[in-house]
Amino acid sequence: GENVEQHPSTLSVQEGDSAVIKCTYSDSASNYFPWYKQELGKRPQLIIDIRSNVGEKKDQRIAVTLNKTAKHFSLHITETQPEDSAVYFCAASRGNQFYFGTGTSLTVIP
Amino acid sequence: DAGVIQSPRHEVTEMGQEVTLRCKPISGHNSLFWYRQTMMRGLELLIYFNNNVPIDDSGMPEDRFSAKMPNASFSTLKIQPSEPRDSAVYFCASSFSDGATEAFFGQGTRLTVV
Repeated sequence: GENVEQHPSTLSVQEGDSAVIKCTYSDSASNYFPWYKQELGKRPQLIIDIRSNVGEKKDQRIAVTLNKTAKHFSLHITETQPEDSAVYFCAASRGNQFYFGTGTSLTVIP
Repeated sequence: DAGVIQSPRHEVTEMGQEVTLRCKPISGHNSLFWYRQTMMRGLELLIYFNNNVPIDDSGMPEDRFSAKMPNASFSTLKIQPSEPRDSAVYFCASSFSDGATEAFFGQGTRLTVV
């Protein structure tokens, strides 16, 4: 099956700085890569996604890049704010089975 | 639609007891997933249904765990007998099975086995 690795496991940044989270996957057939944000005590919720026919996607302060050749994709958060503090999960999907990374706990220090 | 609905939200049970977790997926979704979340292991896929049929149950930890989906609007995850190491948050999620659509998560059930 698919194997998704996510780094780092924890990340602390100063408010206003950028945060980058990286994921790799093993199955070249994976073609959909969503990112989820999970606030403390809440459910994971989609924040951005990218499909394999696209190399980069941006939504305000959040961007995701995908390198299919290298089988890695990254989440970029610019101008971080305290409300960005949460656990972020990447996932890879093929045929609608979702495989999640182990999560990155992001802390934005005011 | 109210989203994916799970019950109960919290469950505390004694070791050895049977536990049943319930999930109602979003209407129209034909894929349903059960995940277990712990600090140590993150989000683990336990089982995946497509059109009510179990497709991949390789993540089910052992025979004490079983899952059913008798119809498109209801699924259960049962643990019998429960053990303290089963303590975790269990999430149900649903999606369309088009291979490129997000999965929507329920609120989760926090299970504590004492």
